[in-house]
Amino acid sequence: AQSVTQPDIHITVSEGASLELRCNYSYGATPYLFWYVQSPGQGLQLLLKYFSGDTLVQGIKGFEAEFKRSQSSFNLRKPSVHWSDAAEYFCAVVNSGGYQKVTFGIGTKLQVIP
Amino acid sequence: EPEVTQTPSHQVTQMGQEVILRCVPISNHLYFYWYRQILGQKVEFLVSFYNNEISEKSEIFDDQFSVERPDGSNFTLKIRSTKLEDSAMYFCASRLLSRRQNNEQFFGPGTRLTVL
Repeated sequence: AQSVTQPDIHITVSEGASLELRCNYSYGATPYLFWYVQSPGQGLQLLLKYFSGDTLVQGIKGFEAEFKRSQSSFNLRKPSVHWSDAAEYFCAVVNSGGYQKVTFGIGTKLQVIP
Repeated sequence: EPEVTQTPSHQVTQMGQEVILRCVPISNHLYFYWYRQILGQKVEFLVSFYNNEISEKSEIFDDQFSVERPDGSNFTLKIRSTKLEDSAMYFCASRLLSRRQNNEQFFGPGTRLTVL
């Protein structure tokens, strides 16, 4: 069964600093991978997605993620964090066959300090 | 840009009551899903729906739950007799095209269900 691990439950960074949120997945075949962001009380907004091809994907709000098959990872990065980036970030994997249910990680809560 | 909508945004109910959460998926989408997120926990898959029937469901989706597409636009989740532990945010999602196409699910804003 597919699974997602986000080892960091809570991360605090200073505004302007770089950010990397870690994500490891477990899935037998080539996964479809996603990062979602959720602000308090809000829904899920898709930041970026990977299906195939270039392993470095660009998303909205200046985020990018790199798929590394050898490490089963899909880490999210941003070179310079803004205060408005404070939110919870979920990594997710979709089984490429079947009816494509999404399996989410536990989430990483990002705090940005001035 | 088309989006998935959900009503109500917040529902408060008494334990044992029935609730119906409503979703309007994106109009040309064919696959529909419900997920829930208990406060402070991760988002969990409940059920997927295709061609007017359940295609997959999780162990959470027991006999208390049912889904329906009563007309061409709505997709509902019914909880027959709510329990305290059903309190959560419920997300609806929809997806375009066939099961072998690589496309993402679009999520609605969620309905926060509070069971007292």
